[in-house]
Amino acid sequence: GDSVTQMEGPVTLSEEAFLTINCTYTATGYPSLFWYVQYPGEGLQLLLKATKADDKGSNKGFEATYRKETTSFHLEKGSVQVSDSAVYFCALKGETSGSRLTFGEGTQLTVNP
Amino acid sequence: EAGVTQSPTHLIKTRGQQATLRCSPISGHTSVYWYQQALGLGLQFLLWYDEGEERNRGNFPPRFSGRQFPNYSSELNVNALELEDSALYLCASRSRFRSSGNTIYFGEGSWLTVV
Repeated sequence: GDSVTQMEGPVTLSEEAFLTINCTYTATGYPSLFWYVQYPGEGLQLLLKATKADDKGSNKGFEATYRKETTSFHLEKGSVQVSDSAVYFCALKGETSGSRLTFGEGTQLTVNP
Repeated sequence: EAGVTQSPTHLIKTRGQQATLRCSPISGHTSVYWYQQALGLGLQFLLWYDEGEERNRGNFPPRFSGRQFPNYSSELNVNALELEDSALYLCASRSRFRSSGNTIYFGEGSWLTVV
């Protein structure tokens, strides 16, 4: 079945540091890939998405490129801010998953001033 | 445009009781999903409803059930509550139209505490 593996957290960075959160997936066919963010005490918000190979999703300075050859969708940001502190979830919607999302375990990011 | 709305925000129940959680999807969305986010267990898929029918179900016991109403709102029922049912329950919705990009949008969640 479909699965998503995220790098283990928590991740702690200083403000303006470079961020990478690794995400790899297993799925048949051509899934759509997503990053969601969950701020403390809140639900999930869609951060960015990519629906086909080599697509780059971007939003709020975050980027992720859909790499079919490495089955990866790593999240990056060049300069993080304290307000980026949250839990980040990588997810996929596969062709055979019945339209549901399969999530990774989530990565807790803390950015210190 | 209103997003996905859930109620109640918080709910405290005792073991053995029943809990009912409610969800209103984004206007025009016909699919509703339920997820459980328990501490340390990530997001687990519970149920998917589309056009009033249950389309898919996650690996949860039958005491987790739900339904979708003609206006596409949904409720999740959890019977015979157990302590480990304490979690954040997230509802999400999706449009039937491919032009929307197939994105699934989440609500703020309902916190269920079983004591």
